[in-house]
Amino acid sequence: GQQLNQSPQSMFIQEGEDVSMNCTSSSIFNTWLWYKQDPGEGPVLLIALYKAGELTSNGRLTAQFGITRKDSFLNISASIPSDVGIYFCAGRDAGGTSYGKLTFGQGTILTVHP
Amino acid sequence: GAVVSQHPSRVICKSGTSVKIECRSLDFQATTMFWYRQFPKKSLMLMATSNEGSKATYEQGVEKDKFLINHASLTLSTLTVTSAHPEDSSFYICSARKDRGLEQYFGPGTRLTVT
Repeated sequence: GQQLNQSPQSMFIQEGEDVSMNCTSSSIFNTWLWYKQDPGEGPVLLIALYKAGELTSNGRLTAQFGITRKDSFLNISASIPSDVGIYFCAGRDAGGTSYGKLTFGQGTILTVHP
Repeated sequence: GAVVSQHPSRVICKSGTSVKIECRSLDFQATTMFWYRQFPKKSLMLMATSNEGSKATYEQGVEKDKFLINHASLTLSTLTVTSAHPEDSSFYICSARKDRGLEQYFGPGTRLTVT
């Protein structure tokens, strides 16, 4: 089946630093989504990417859909304490029997020290 | 907006009983809803895909007779954990996709504890 490798698994940074995390896939995806999950809550959609090469920003967040359609990255600039949480990438394969299903990365645990 | 609610947020039940979890899309119609299970510090594991008016499609290894899913309307899907056992204790999260949409929105999750 499809696999998503998300890295790094965890990050410990100082407030104000920039953060970068990425996901790579063994197969092609037509959609990449980035979510943030706080403890005890459901994931919240941060950014959605639909086209290879697409670069999209949402405030301090920037994400890109890789040209090969097998990877995506998420950058957070000037981190603040409330950025703490688990970040998940998710890819969707539009074809075949897996239509509509999201495949999730393992998550990146972000800790921001004030 | 795209708001998805779940009820209850927490539930404790005794072994052998059944528990129903509701998932509602509050401000949009969702032809497709998904049910996930998540273990502590782990990623989300898809259990089943639910389409309004039809039977749910379960992922390999998920018992359909144990995890009953009903998607009776465009805004409501339910997951019933039947004859619950302690190993069913977990965080269950639903998500909904807007009709023909590509984005998927998650509910806040339900913490199930089986004693």
